[in-house]
Amino acid sequence: QVQLQESGPGLVKPSGTLSLTCAVSGASVSNAHWWCWVRQSPGKGLEWIGEVYHSGTTTYNPSLKSRVTISLDKSKNQFSLNLSSVTAADTAVYYCGRSSGFYAIDYWGQGTLVTVSS
Amino acid sequence: QSALTQPPSASGSPGQSVTISCTGTSSDVGAYNYVSWYQQHPGKAPKLMILEVNRRPSGVPDRFSGSKSGNTASLTISGLQAEDEADYYCTSRADSNPYVFGTGTKVTVL
Repeated sequence: QVQLQESGPGLVKPSGTLSLTCAVSGASVSNAHWWCWVRQSPGKGLEWIGEVYHSGTTTYNPSLKSRVTISLDKSKNQFSLNLSSVTAADTAVYYCGRSSGFYAIDYWGQGTLVTVSS
Repeated sequence: QSALTQPPSASGSPGQSVTISCTGTSSDVGAYNYVSWYQQHPGKAPKLMILEVNRRPSGVPDRFSGSKSGNTASLTISGLQAEDEADYYCTSRADSNPYVFGTGTKVTVL
């Protein structure tokens, strides 16, 4: 059974960098899948942030592209999200997930709340 | 890229059917057969219910079905059950983005 678990600081200061890690078990990030990040602002809908392929190729949401970096750590079987120059608008629950290959996210982490505040 | 448009709410009594629409454009829903639907209970992660417009992942009841016509996709829940009460989101591949999400629909079982 594939399982994903997000980890990282729950509080980030404005203008700082949000950094999260997603640990994967039951599957290898080195195999053929896309590994993604999605966020959900409090009481709002879902927003796709970006994804990384097992080869290291990345694709980002154009609205966030200038601030986002997603990377793989194959030795630890995990992948990471860095979002720079954060503001209160970046406060959200951040989910990591795996794409099935048909533009559908078939496995999700439980989500982690990140609050941007001084 | 704008979010796909869903009705804010939908409801039905147990045993009835409810259909949720997801309206996009010729650059997303209308262009690709990569429409997915997710169920999200409060405080939980989304769960994939439908992929590729009408394909159910293993373990999803056949009460859930999907379809598409032009720029609008739909999710139908037949034989509504209490546990179906949740938020539902559609998503589609788009020209500018692998994923554009819908605005979400809260389904209430009366």
